[in-house]
Amino acid sequence: DSGVTQTPKHLITATGQRVTLRCSPRSGDLSVYWYQQSLDQGLQFLIHYYNGEERAKGNILERFSAQQFPDLHSELNLSSLELGDSALYFCASSEGATNEKLFFGSGTQLSVL
Amino acid sequence: GDSVTQMEGPVTLSEEAFLTINCTYTATGYPSLFWYVQYPGEGLQLLLKATKADDKGSNKGFEATYRKETTSFHLEKGSVQVSDSAVYFCALDNYGGSQGNLIFGKGTKLSVKP
Repeated sequence: DSGVTQTPKHLITATGQRVTLRCSPRSGDLSVYWYQQSLDQGLQFLIHYYNGEERAKGNILERFSAQQFPDLHSELNLSSLELGDSALYFCASSEGATNEKLFFGSGTQLSVL
Repeated sequence: GDSVTQMEGPVTLSEEAFLTINCTYTATGYPSLFWYVQYPGEGLQLLLKATKADDKGSNKGFEATYRKETTSFHLEKGSVQVSDSAVYFCALDNYGGSQGNLIFGKGTKLSVKP
C-alpha cells in the first residue's frame, strides 16, 4: 500500500458529462501529480500541485482542471467528456516539490460510453 | 522533445532466467533516469534510479546503469521469480525534479512462468 488513496476506483459515464476524481496524498506529502494512462498514449503527465499551488502543467486538455485544497487532497475535474477520455487516471504524491520518488495510488478507471 | 523508448512486450520468461529490458532515451542535458514497476491492480512503485552518467541503480536484485554514450538505461536481473511478473516503466526527468513531471516509456509487460 503506497498510502495514496484515489476514489472512486471505477467510474462509468456518458459523453458530454462531467466527473470529479479525488486523491488523498500520503500523510506529510505536499506534492500531488496527476497522470493519464491509456493504451495508445501510455502514461502522460497532466499536472503537478505543490502545497496548494500549481507547479507544472503537462498535456492537460482545457476541458480538464485540477486543484489542491488546504488539507492537501486534490481533485481532477473532467468535463464535456469524450470517448477518448476513457483511461486510467493516476494520482501520485511526493514529500517535497521534486519528483525524486513518487508514490502512486491504484488509479481511477474512467469509462466514457 | 525528451522521450523514452522501451522494448515492446510482452516478455515471457521461465523462473530463474536472466532478464533484460531495454530502455533508451532522448534528452538534452543530463536527465535523471528511473525504473518504475506496476504490479497487477496497483499503482506504480519506484524500483531504482540513477542521477548521473555511469551511476548504477539497484534494488531487489534488479540493476540498471546510466550509459550516457549510448543514451541507455537497461534493466537487468540475474534470476527472475514469478513474483516479478509486472509491467516495467522506464522514465526520465530533465528538470532536476523541479517541474514535477516524469516522462515515461510505454511500459514492458513481464510474465514469469514457474
